[in-house]
Amino acid sequence: GNSVTQMEGPVTLSEEAFLTINCTYTATGYPSLFWYVQYPGEGLQLLLKATKADDKGSNKGFEATYRKETTSFHLEKGSVQVSDSAVYFCALNDMRFGAGTRLTVKP
Amino acid sequence: GAVVSQHPSRVICKSGTSVKIECRSLDFQATTMFWYRQFPKQSLMLMATSNEGSKATYEQGVEKDKFLINHASLTLSTLTVTSAHPEDSSFYICSAFRGATLQNTEAFFGQGTRLTVV
Repeated sequence: GNSVTQMEGPVTLSEEAFLTINCTYTATGYPSLFWYVQYPGEGLQLLLKATKADDKGSNKGFEATYRKETTSFHLEKGSVQVSDSAVYFCALNDMRFGAGTRLTVKP
Repeated sequence: GAVVSQHPSRVICKSGTSVKIECRSLDFQATTMFWYRQFPKQSLMLMATSNEGSKATYEQGVEKDKFLINHASLTLSTLTVTSAHPEDSSFYICSAFRGATLQNTEAFFGQGTRLTVV
């Protein structure tokens, strides 16, 4: 069946550091891929998505590229801020999520 | 964005009793809703897919008689934890899609319900 494997956390970075959170998937066909974010005390919300191979999703300085050849959708941000501290989830369009990665950014 | 409201946000119940959690899409119709259980280390486990007007589809390992799901209208799905036990204590989250297809639409999430069984 479909599944998502996500980099285990927690991840702690200093402000302005580069962020990468790895995500790989197993699925039949060509699913859409998503990153959701859960800020402290809030519900999950969509961060970005990509619907086909080589698509790049981007939002709030975050980016992820749909790589069919490596079945990956790694999340990146060039310079993180304290306000980016949250839990990040990679997901398939069948609503299966990765385990989540907690990011803490320190000033 | 679309709004999904989940109620209650917190509930404490006695062991052996049943608890109902509601998930409402406030400004759109949701043919499909999803129920999750979030574990202490934030892992989000899909429990079941709720389809309006039909039986829910449960994930492997989820007891359908324990976690009763009803999706009676296009704006409401309910999860009832029957004969709750302390091990059912968890954070339950619902989500809904605005459209009929899953391919490229996003899901909207409720704020979650913290269930504590004592």
